[in-house]
Amino acid sequence: GENVEQHPSTLSVQEGDSAVIKCTYSDSASNYFPWYKQELGKGPQLIIDIRSNVGEKKDQRIAVTLNKTAKHFSLHITETQPEDSAVYFCAASKGGNKLTFGGGTRVLVKP
Amino acid sequence: DAGVTQSPTHLIKTRGQQVTLRCSPKSGHDTVSWYQQALGQGPQFIFQYYEEEERQRGNFPDRFSGHQFPNYSSELNVNALLLGDSALYLCASSPGGTRFWGPNEQFFGPGTRLTVL
Repeated sequence: GENVEQHPSTLSVQEGDSAVIKCTYSDSASNYFPWYKQELGKGPQLIIDIRSNVGEKKDQRIAVTLNKTAKHFSLHITETQPEDSAVYFCAASKGGNKLTFGGGTRVLVKP
Repeated sequence: DAGVTQSPTHLIKTRGQQVTLRCSPKSGHDTVSWYQQALGQGPQFIFQYYEEEERQRGNFPDRFSGHQFPNYSSELNVNALLLGDSALYLCASSPGGTRFWGPNEQFFGPGTRLTVL
């Protein structure tokens, strides 16, 4: 089955700096790659997603890139703010809506 | 517009007992998926319901079962609870079926925290 690996497991950045989280997937048939943000005591919140027919997608301070050949995708957060502190999860899916998640990255933005 | 809702928020059970968790999908969504999230880990897919039938299932034993009602709400049942079943159980909803461009966006509820003693 699909396997998703996520790095780093923790990331500490200074407010205003950029943060990058990287994920790799194993199943070349996967075609949908969402990113979720999870705050303490809450469910995951969809922040951005990308499909296999697109190489890059941007939404304000957040961008995601996808390299299908290398089977990896990344989340980029620019101009980080304290409210960006949370656990971020990448996921992969190929039809049927089943999501396979990475292990998560705990992001801490220091003011 | 109400998002995905789940009940109860917290639950404490003892080993061997049975538990039922409930989920109401986001308005306009008819597909419900259930995930188990152990502490410090990513969510793991349990199963998905669409048109009142289980459509996909992850690597979970038959002790985990579910149901979807005509109003699209769903229940997750776990029998013969084990200590290892302690986790956050998440429900996610999405629009029905799979579009030609691939899977649909899934929106998660706040989860039910299950503790098995």
